[in-house]
Amino acid sequence: QSVLTQPPSASGTPGQRVIISCSGGNSNIGSNYVYWYQQLPGMAPKLLIYRNNHRPSGVPDRFSASKSGTSASLAISGLRSEDEADYYCAAWDDSLSGPWVFGGGTKLTVL
Amino acid sequence: QVQLPESGPGLLKPSETLSLTCTVSPASINNYYWTWIRQPPGKGLEWIGYIYDSGSTNYNPSLKSRITISADPSKNQLSLNLTSVTAADTAVYYCARGGGRAYSPPDFWGQGTLVSVSS
Repeated sequence: QSVLTQPPSASGTPGQRVIISCSGGNSNIGSNYVYWYQQLPGMAPKLLIYRNNHRPSGVPDRFSASKSGTSASLAISGLRSEDEADYYCAAWDDSLSGPWVFGGGTKLTVL
Repeated sequence: QVQLPESGPGLLKPSETLSLTCTVSPASINNYYWTWIRQPPGKGLEWIGYIYDSGSTNYNPSLKSRITISADPSKNQLSLNLTSVTAADTAVYYCARGGGRAYSPPDFWGQGTLVSVSS
Protein backbone atom coordinates (compact mmCIF):
# COMPACT_ATOMS: atom_id res chain seq x y z
CA GLN A 1 0.00 0.00 0.00
CA SER A 2 1.67 3.20 -1.20
CA VAL A 3 1.50 6.38 0.85
CA LEU A 4 0.70 8.46 -2.24
CA THR A 5 -2.28 7.40 -4.36
CA GLN A 6 -2.16 7.25 -8.14
CA PRO A 7 -4.51 5.63 -10.63
CA PRO A 8 -2.99 2.33 -11.74
CA SER A 9 -3.49 3.07 -15.42
CA ALA A 10 -4.11 5.83 -17.94
CA SER A 11 -4.32 5.88 -21.69
CA GLY A 12 -4.61 8.17 -24.65
CA THR A 13 -4.13 8.36 -28.36
CA PRO A 14 -1.26 10.15 -30.07
CA GLY A 15 -1.64 13.91 -29.86
CA GLN A 16 -4.03 13.79 -26.91
CA ARG A 17 -3.52 15.32 -23.49
CA VAL A 18 -3.41 12.99 -20.52
CA ILE A 19 -3.44 13.89 -16.84
CA ILE A 20 -2.20 11.65 -14.04
CA SER A 21 -3.20 12.46 -10.49
CA CYS A 22 -1.37 11.93 -7.21
CA SER A 23 -3.03 12.28 -3.82
CA GLY A 24 -1.29 12.47 -0.48
CA GLY A 25 -1.56 14.09 2.90
CA ASN A 26 -0.50 17.03 5.00
CA SER A 27 2.82 15.44 5.97
CA ASN A 28 3.97 14.90 2.41
CA ILE A 29 2.41 16.71 -0.55
CA GLY A 30 0.68 19.20 1.71
CA SER A 31 3.95 20.51 3.11
CA ASN A 32 6.69 19.51 0.69
CA TYR A 33 7.59 19.51 -2.98
CA VAL A 34 6.23 16.91 -5.39
CA TYR A 35 8.44 15.11 -7.87
CA TRP A 36 7.56 12.97 -10.87
CA TYR A 37 9.55 10.13 -12.35
CA GLN A 38 9.20 8.40 -15.71
CA GLN A 39 10.17 4.73 -15.93
CA LEU A 40 10.44 3.35 -19.43
CA PRO A 41 10.12 -0.43 -19.77
CA GLY A 42 13.16 -2.18 -18.35
CA MET A 43 14.85 1.07 -17.36
CA ALA A 44 15.58 2.94 -14.16
CA PRO A 45 13.28 5.79 -13.15
CA LYS A 46 14.22 9.18 -14.57
CA LEU A 47 13.44 12.46 -12.85
CA LEU A 48 10.80 14.16 -14.98
CA ILE A 49 9.56 17.01 -12.78
CA TYR A 50 11.15 18.53 -9.70
CA ARG A 51 9.91 20.95 -7.05
CA ASN A 52 6.26 20.66 -8.14
CA ASN A 53 6.50 22.00 -11.66
CA HIS A 54 10.06 22.33 -12.94
CA ARG A 55 11.52 20.29 -15.78
CA PRO A 56 15.14 19.15 -15.75
CA SER A 57 17.16 20.02 -18.80
CA GLY A 58 16.18 17.82 -21.73
CA VAL A 59 12.61 17.10 -20.64
CA PRO A 60 10.19 18.32 -23.32
CA ASP A 61 7.75 21.07 -22.42
CA ARG A 62 4.94 18.66 -23.32
CA PHE A 63 5.33 17.54 -19.71
CA SER A 64 3.94 19.83 -17.06
CA ALA A 65 2.83 19.44 -13.48
CA SER A 66 1.02 21.26 -10.72
CA LYS A 67 0.21 20.93 -7.06
CA SER A 68 -2.72 22.07 -4.98
CA GLY A 69 -3.10 21.31 -1.31
CA THR A 70 -2.45 17.62 -0.80
CA SER A 71 -2.81 16.66 -4.45
CA ALA A 72 -0.69 16.96 -7.54
CA SER A 73 -1.02 16.16 -11.20
CA LEU A 74 1.17 15.48 -14.19
CA ALA A 75 -0.03 16.50 -17.63
CA ILE A 76 1.34 15.17 -20.87
CA SER A 77 0.22 17.00 -23.98
CA GLY A 78 0.78 16.02 -27.58
CA LEU A 79 1.02 12.38 -26.50
CA ARG A 80 3.63 10.32 -28.33
CA SER A 81 4.27 6.60 -28.48
CA GLU A 82 7.55 7.02 -26.63
CA ASP A 83 5.67 8.41 -23.64
CA GLU A 84 4.37 4.92 -22.90
CA ALA A 85 5.87 4.24 -19.48
CA ASP A 86 5.18 4.04 -15.78
CA TYR A 87 4.94 7.36 -13.98
CA TYR A 88 5.55 7.78 -10.26
CA CYS A 89 4.94 10.73 -7.99
CA ALA A 90 7.13 11.21 -4.94
CA ALA A 91 7.40 13.55 -2.00
CA TRP A 92 9.35 14.04 1.20
CA ASP A 93 7.26 12.98 4.18
CA ASP A 94 7.68 14.62 7.57
CA SER A 95 6.09 11.73 9.44
CA LEU A 96 7.48 8.31 10.32
CA SER A 97 6.56 7.04 6.84
CA GLY A 98 9.44 8.84 5.25
CA PRO A 99 11.34 10.64 4.39
CA TRP A 100 10.66 9.61 0.81
CA VAL A 101 7.24 8.26 -0.15
CA PHE A 102 6.08 7.26 -3.59
CA GLY A 103 2.86 6.67 -5.44
CA GLY A 104 2.10 3.18 -6.65
CA GLY A 105 2.74 4.24 -10.21
CA THR A 106 0.52 4.85 -13.22
CA LYS A 107 1.04 2.80 -16.35
CA LEU A 108 0.44 5.04 -19.35
CA THR A 109 -0.60 3.30 -22.54
CA VAL A 110 -0.53 5.11 -25.86
CA LEU A 111 -3.27 3.54 -27.94
CA GLN B 1 26.95 12.70 -16.25
CA VAL B 2 27.26 10.64 -13.10
CA GLN B 3 27.28 6.85 -13.51
CA LEU B 4 26.04 4.56 -10.74
CA PRO B 5 26.36 0.90 -11.68
CA GLU B 6 25.16 -1.43 -8.93
CA SER B 7 26.49 -4.93 -8.40
CA GLY B 8 25.31 -7.77 -6.23
CA PRO B 9 24.78 -11.51 -5.84
CA GLY B 10 21.67 -11.90 -7.98
CA LEU B 11 20.28 -14.87 -6.03
CA LEU B 12 20.11 -15.42 -2.29
CA LYS B 13 18.54 -17.96 0.02
CA PRO B 14 16.20 -16.93 2.84
CA SER B 15 18.00 -15.76 5.99
CA GLU B 16 21.16 -14.80 4.08
CA THR B 17 22.61 -11.30 3.96
CA LEU B 18 22.27 -9.15 0.87
CA SER B 19 25.34 -7.08 0.04
CA LEU B 20 25.27 -4.59 -2.80
CA THR B 21 27.77 -2.04 -4.01
CA CYS B 22 27.36 1.03 -6.17
CA THR B 23 30.49 2.50 -7.75
CA VAL B 24 30.12 6.19 -8.52
CA SER B 25 31.89 7.92 -11.40
CA PRO B 26 33.16 10.38 -12.32
CA ALA B 27 32.03 12.56 -9.38
CA SER B 28 33.25 12.06 -5.84
CA ILE B 29 30.80 10.65 -3.32
CA ASN B 30 31.86 13.30 -0.83
CA ASN B 31 29.48 16.16 -0.11
CA TYR B 32 26.48 14.40 -1.61
CA TYR B 33 23.59 12.38 -0.29
CA TRP B 34 23.28 8.90 -1.77
CA THR B 35 20.06 6.95 -1.63
CA TRP B 36 19.05 3.31 -2.03
CA ILE B 37 15.60 2.50 -3.40
CA ARG B 38 14.08 -0.83 -4.36
CA GLN B 39 11.29 -2.02 -6.61
CA PRO B 40 9.73 -5.48 -6.26
CA PRO B 41 8.90 -7.06 -9.63
CA GLY B 42 5.84 -5.40 -11.13
CA LYS B 43 5.41 -3.12 -8.13
CA GLY B 44 6.17 0.41 -7.02
CA LEU B 45 9.20 2.10 -5.50
CA GLU B 46 10.26 1.84 -1.87
CA TRP B 47 12.80 4.13 -0.23
CA ILE B 48 15.41 2.14 1.71
CA GLY B 49 17.68 4.80 3.12
CA TYR B 50 20.44 7.31 2.50
CA ILE B 51 23.94 8.21 3.55
CA TYR B 52 25.61 11.59 3.56
CA ASP B 53 29.28 12.25 3.10
CA SER B 54 30.30 8.76 4.19
CA GLY B 55 28.81 9.35 7.59
CA SER B 56 25.29 10.13 8.67
CA THR B 57 22.52 7.78 7.63
CA ASN B 58 18.74 7.61 7.66
CA TYR B 59 16.84 4.38 7.16
CA ASN B 60 13.30 3.33 6.32
CA PRO B 61 11.69 2.54 9.70
CA SER B 62 10.27 -0.71 8.35
CA LEU B 63 13.75 -1.95 7.39
CA LYS B 64 15.88 -0.18 9.97
CA SER B 65 16.71 -3.22 12.08
CA ARG B 66 18.17 -5.06 9.08
CA ILE B 67 19.89 -2.33 7.07
CA THR B 68 23.36 -0.87 6.98
CA ILE B 69 24.38 1.71 4.40
CA SER B 70 28.02 2.66 4.22
CA ALA B 71 30.46 4.42 1.94
CA ASP B 72 34.12 4.02 1.01
CA PRO B 73 35.50 7.31 -0.34
CA SER B 74 38.77 5.68 -1.33
CA LYS B 75 36.88 3.50 -3.81
CA ASN B 76 34.12 6.03 -4.46
CA GLN B 77 31.74 3.25 -3.56
CA LEU B 78 28.48 2.92 -1.68
CA SER B 79 27.29 -0.26 -0.01
CA LEU B 80 23.99 -1.66 1.18
CA ASN B 81 23.72 -4.61 3.56
CA LEU B 82 20.36 -6.17 4.32
CA THR B 83 20.31 -9.06 6.77
CA SER B 84 17.90 -11.99 7.16
CA VAL B 85 16.39 -11.66 3.71
CA THR B 86 13.07 -13.23 2.76
CA ALA B 87 11.15 -13.56 -0.47
CA ALA B 88 9.65 -10.14 0.27
CA ASP B 89 13.09 -8.63 -0.31
CA THR B 90 13.12 -9.78 -3.92
CA ALA B 91 13.42 -6.58 -5.92
CA VAL B 92 15.48 -4.45 -8.25
CA TYR B 93 17.75 -2.37 -6.06
CA TYR B 94 18.78 1.10 -7.23
CA CYS B 95 21.32 3.55 -5.91
CA ALA B 96 20.77 7.20 -6.71
CA ARG B 97 22.36 10.55 -6.06
CA GLY B 98 20.59 12.93 -3.74
CA GLY B 99 17.56 12.36 -1.59
CA GLY B 100 18.74 13.84 1.66
CA ARG B 101 16.53 16.90 1.66
CA ALA B 102 12.95 17.68 0.68
CA TYR B 103 14.20 20.00 -2.04
CA SER B 104 16.82 17.57 -3.35
CA PRO B 105 15.30 14.37 -4.67
CA PRO B 106 17.11 11.27 -5.92
CA ASP B 107 17.97 12.62 -9.37
CA PHE B 108 20.48 10.37 -11.14
CA TRP B 109 19.80 6.65 -10.71
CA GLY B 110 21.85 3.56 -11.46
CA GLN B 111 20.48 0.96 -13.84
CA GLY B 112 19.49 -1.25 -10.93
CA THR B 113 20.37 -4.80 -9.99
CA LEU B 114 17.86 -7.59 -9.52
CA VAL B 115 18.11 -9.58 -6.32
CA SER B 116 16.00 -12.70 -5.99
CA VAL B 117 15.46 -14.54 -2.71
CA SER B 118 14.46 -18.16 -3.07
CA SER B 119 15.18 -21.46 -1.41
